[in-house]
Formats: sequence, C-alpha cells, structure tokens
Amino acid sequence: EAQVTQNPRYLITVTGKKLTVTCSQNMNHEYMSWYRQDPGLGLRQIYYSMNVEVTDKGDVPEGYKVSRKEKRNFPLILESPSPNQTSLYFCASSLLGQGRGITEAFFGQGTRLTVV
Amino acid sequence: AQTVTQSQPEMSVQEAETVTLSCTYDTSESNYYLFWYKQPPSRQMILVIRQEAYKQQNATENRFSVNFQKAAKSFSLKISDSQLGDTAMYFCAFMKHSTGSARQLTFGSGTQLTVLP
Repeated sequence: EAQVTQNPRYLITVTGKKLTVTCSQNMNHEYMSWYRQDPGLGLRQIYYSMNVEVTDKGDVPEGYKVSRKEKRNFPLILESPSPNQTSLYFCASSLLGQGRGITEAFFGQGTRLTVV
Repeated sequence: AQTVTQSQPEMSVQEAETVTLSCTYDTSESNYYLFWYKQPPSRQMILVIRQEAYKQQNATENRFSVNFQKAAKSFSLKISDSQLGDTAMYFCAFMKHSTGSARQLTFGSGTQLTVLP
C-alpha cells in the first residue's frame, strides 16, 4: 500500500530537548516536504527536498533542520524546541513530474507536538 | 508569492442539502493547480478534488464539484447531498506549475464544515 508514515503520532517534550520526527514514503517520490498546521493559518511549508542531498527552506524554516540521506526518508529535527513550535506537523511526498499534469501530494498521518 | 484566502472559518449545513465553500487566491502565474483537501477529526489530509488552471471545464468528483473562475481568481467547492461524514475542515490549496521544480502547496486557513442531522 502506497503511504507516507510519520512517527511519532503524538509527542510531548520540554523546551530545549532535541527531538526528531521521522517520515518515510514507499512510492519512490523525489519530492518530500514538511508542513506545520496552526489554527487560523492553515498549513505552512517548513522545508522541502527535491531529491537525495537536496533540501531547501520553505516559508517557516526557523528552528528546524532536515536531512535527505535516502530517497525514502526525510526526518524533521528540532535541535532546541520552544513552546512556539507546538503544532501539528505533516510530512508529504509527491513525484516531481515533467510537463503538464498534476502530481498528487500524499500526506502522512500527522504528528501532534507539544513543547512545554 | 501566492496567497490563498478562505473567508468562511465555519459553516454548517443540514444533511442532504447543498453547501458551497469559497476560496480566492492571488497569483501572477498563468499555469497552476488548485486543490481542495478534507481533514476529518482523524487529522488525515484527504484530496477531494483538483483543477488544472489551463482547463476551462470545472472538475467534478461524485458529489463534489468546483466553480473555477480564472479571471476572478476564485475556486469554490460545492458539496451536494451533504452527508454526516462530510463534517471536516476543508482547505483550499494552490500549487504553481513549473516543470521539474518545487511542488509547494500554499494553503488557505481552512473552513470547518459541520453537517447537521
């Protein structure tokens, strides 16, 4: 079954304690990205990757890091979490595609992060 | 930069009735894609319907259809014969079309739809 898997689904942590949220896809997609969802703001892109070892900032990258050492995995790293990073996080993947045509984004199940 | 605006934070509709969710966007691009995503209480993001900007015909998927007005930059979602399972947050999203380039989705703030029995 084609899917994007995030772990953990729920996480409560304390300010300053490094954490990693994992994301893995089994569809051989080139493009992967992370979004955060906050009330009244919708989803905003944090970082994205167009292929292995190719990553770039999205709209809200401050306080986050990512890596893309393998095509299937795209972990999100919070080296020193702060309460303003309390949010719902989504990983997504899609084919890059060429020419005309929509490439659908597949989303993970979401990770609810609380930083106290 | 693109922006997507959903001006209705909350809406409700009686079961079996029809409801329309509005979405407007701002872009200087001529080729792009538009999407409606549904997020039920399970938090899963589910693609409801999509529209390619170069296609004049409005997309339909069973009970879901869109009214795409390119000149007005409007992309509304119509849900016919509303069902209790349609209760969810609905997000409108924009994606720039760019060959071999980034596939960033720009989302609106969402509309919480409640279907009443």
